[in-house]
Amino acid sequence: QVQLMESGGDVVQPGRSLRLSCTASGFTFSDSSMHWVRQAPGKGLQWVAVISSDATDKYYPNSLRGRFSISRDNSKSTLYLHLNSLRGDDTAVYYCARGSYGHPTPYFASWGQGTLVTVSS
Amino acid sequence: QSVLTQPPSVSGAPGQRVTISCTGSRSNIGASYDVHWYQQIPGTAPKVLIYANNNRPSGVPDRFSGSKSGTSASLAITGLQAEDEADYYCQSYDNGLGYVFGTGTTVTVL
Repeated sequence: QVQLMESGGDVVQPGRSLRLSCTASGFTFSDSSMHWVRQAPGKGLQWVAVISSDATDKYYPNSLRGRFSISRDNSKSTLYLHLNSLRGDDTAVYYCARGSYGHPTPYFASWGQGTLVTVSS
Repeated sequence: QSVLTQPPSVSGAPGQRVTISCTGSRSNIGASYDVHWYQQIPGTAPKVLIYANNNRPSGVPDRFSGSKSGTSASLAITGLQAEDEADYYCQSYDNGLGYVFGTGTTVTVL
C-alpha cells in the first residue's frame, strides 16, 4: 500500500532554514507528481508546492514563492521541501501528498502523517 | 486566505442527512475545474472522500456523495454515524492561485 513518511520537522528560530523530507513506498514514485500541503494549528489546509514526476516543473502559491523550494530524488523515492527565512506564521504541520493520475483537476490522492515545524525564538 | 467558502459547522442526529456547501467563483469552480472532498479526523492526516465532483475511492461508504453546479459544490452525508464526526474540506484549482482548499466544516453528530 502507499506509504508516505515525512521527517525533519523541528523548533527553529525566525529567519532560519529547515529541510523537510518525505520518503515514499508502495507506488512508482518516479511516475507521480508530488505536493506539500500545510496546516497551521487549529486552521485549515494550505497548498504549498508541487513538483512534476521528472522534476522539470515546480509551482508555488504567490504568497510562498521565493522562500520555499521543492525538490525530489527519484533514485531514493524521496521528496524534499526547503524552507528559508522562516517566520512565525510558517508554524504548521507539513504534509506530503501524492498527486492523482490523469485527472484534469488533480487532487491529493495519498497523504503522509505530517511533520511539525514550529518557528519561535 | 481560502477562496472556497464552507460553513464553519453542521450538525445532525444519527441517521439524518447533512450537507456541506462549497462556494467558489468564476476563477475556480466556475471555470470548470473539478471539486474534491477530504475528511480529516482530528489528529490525523486528511484522506480523500470524493474526487472529481461525485466519485468515491474504494472503501468510502456510499453514504457520502458529491455534486457540483455552477460556482458551487456540495457534499452530502446520509445516514449520519458517530464515526462521521470530523472536519471536511473541499478542494479545487484556481486560475490565479493554484490549488485551493475550502475553509473547512466541522461535522458534529448530536
